[in-house]
Amino acid sequence: EIVLTQSPATLSLSPGERATLSCRASQSVSSYLDWYQQKPGQAPRLLIYDASNRAAGIPARFSGSGSGTDFTLTISSLEPEDFAVYHCQQRYNWPRTFGQGTKVEIK
Amino acid sequence: EVQLVETGGGLIQPGGSLRLSCAASGFTVSNNYMNWVRQAPGKGLEWVSIIFGDGTTYYADSVKGRFTISRDSSKNTLYLQMNSLRADDTAVYYCARDRTGDRDYWGQGTLVTVSS
Repeated sequence: EIVLTQSPATLSLSPGERATLSCRASQSVSSYLDWYQQKPGQAPRLLIYDASNRAAGIPARFSGSGSGTDFTLTISSLEPEDFAVYHCQQRYNWPRTFGQGTKVEIK
Repeated sequence: EVQLVETGGGLIQPGGSLRLSCAASGFTVSNNYMNWVRQAPGKGLEWVSIIFGDGTTYYADSVKGRFTISRDSSKNTLYLQMNSLRADDTAVYYCARDRTGDRDYWGQGTLVTVSS
């Protein structure tokens, strides 16, 4: 199975700062990589699909890039509601797999 | 409006069985790819299983042979039959409709606790 490794595990930033999250795959997943945001007690929310496409209703401050094995989620300027856990998921082959998550916390 | 409501979670002893249900409204389950995803307490997300519109299914290695995904078109409901449950199956189980267009849909989750 494809292993996704997210880094860093925790990112401590202040509102207004730029957040850069990484997701690295153990083998190529082409562009079949999605990003989710999850807040405590809530279901995950799709942010980015197919590596770089924003999902419905997602603000433009969220962007995704990459292909193959290396992917990046960027939040250009953190808003208070952006402090959460972010997960990447590959849909390239079976079984689908998630990364272990990156927590973006308030510094 | 699309809605997914999971039920059937609870406390179960190791080795036991449980069936989770996911009642859908606002769309037809059998016309969509439907998933189960779980999250152990304090841990990340783990994809569990999927069923396609044509009935094709896939499973995570960790549940293969123990869990079965199915659906009932007359009830517009997705199921996850879980057998031979183990302590490491303890998690919140979410059902989710696969992305179509630019969004997907998730239920609120149901907690399964496997403990003696």
